[in-house]
Amino acid sequence: DGGITQSPKYLFRKEGQNVTLSCEQNLNHDAMYWYRQDPGQGLRLIYYSQIVNDFQKGDIAEGYSVSREKKESFPLTVTSAQKNPTAFYLCASSIAGHGHDQPQHFGDGTRLSIL
Amino acid sequence: AQSVTQPDIHITVSEGASLELRCNYSYGATPYLFWYVQSPGQGLQLLLKYFSGDTLVQGIKGFEAEFKRSQSSFNLRKPSVHWSDAAEYFCAVGGRYGGATNKLIFGTGTLLAVQP
Repeated sequence: DGGITQSPKYLFRKEGQNVTLSCEQNLNHDAMYWYRQDPGQGLRLIYYSQIVNDFQKGDIAEGYSVSREKKESFPLTVTSAQKNPTAFYLCASSIAGHGHDQPQHFGDGTRLSIL
Repeated sequence: AQSVTQPDIHITVSEGASLELRCNYSYGATPYLFWYVQSPGQGLQLLLKYFSGDTLVQGIKGFEAEFKRSQSSFNLRKPSVHWSDAAEYFCAVGGRYGGATNKLIFGTGTLLAVQP
């Protein structure tokens, strides 16, 4: 079945450490997204990519980095510069286009906590 | 700027009762509207979407939503709630962001509890 796989499901980070969250999709979607979810704040966009080798900052990109070397993969690195990384991180993908009518499909998320 | 408001943070209904979750949006043009559901520790699942045409849209799991342009609303309804419907529900509007992309702007969610 096609879908989005995020790993790991739970991740712990030590102070000053960078960690990378994996996101893989086999839906043949061009566009991929990373969101951060905090209680009571809904989802906030961190980074998005419409095509391989291209990505754009979202609303809260500071302290995060991404790469898009393959269509299927969009890993997110939470750097030591992100002072409050504890959150639930969701990856999504969609058919890219010039409209905003394409629904996004979500993975099951990674919960990141500070040790 | 585009925005989505879900006025109810938490709602409790009895099993078998009807449900309406409210969503108001702010968008300058014809909006593309979505409802998603999230079970604890899971990702978001699309319930339904509105692009154009009939203002009453049907979704999965027996949900429906009605688009009312005059009220800038897109409320989600279900005639009879089941215990398995307990989850968090997010309304979202599709918007333009720095060019041609499919940015979704999410509301802050409504947490639904179902009493037996």
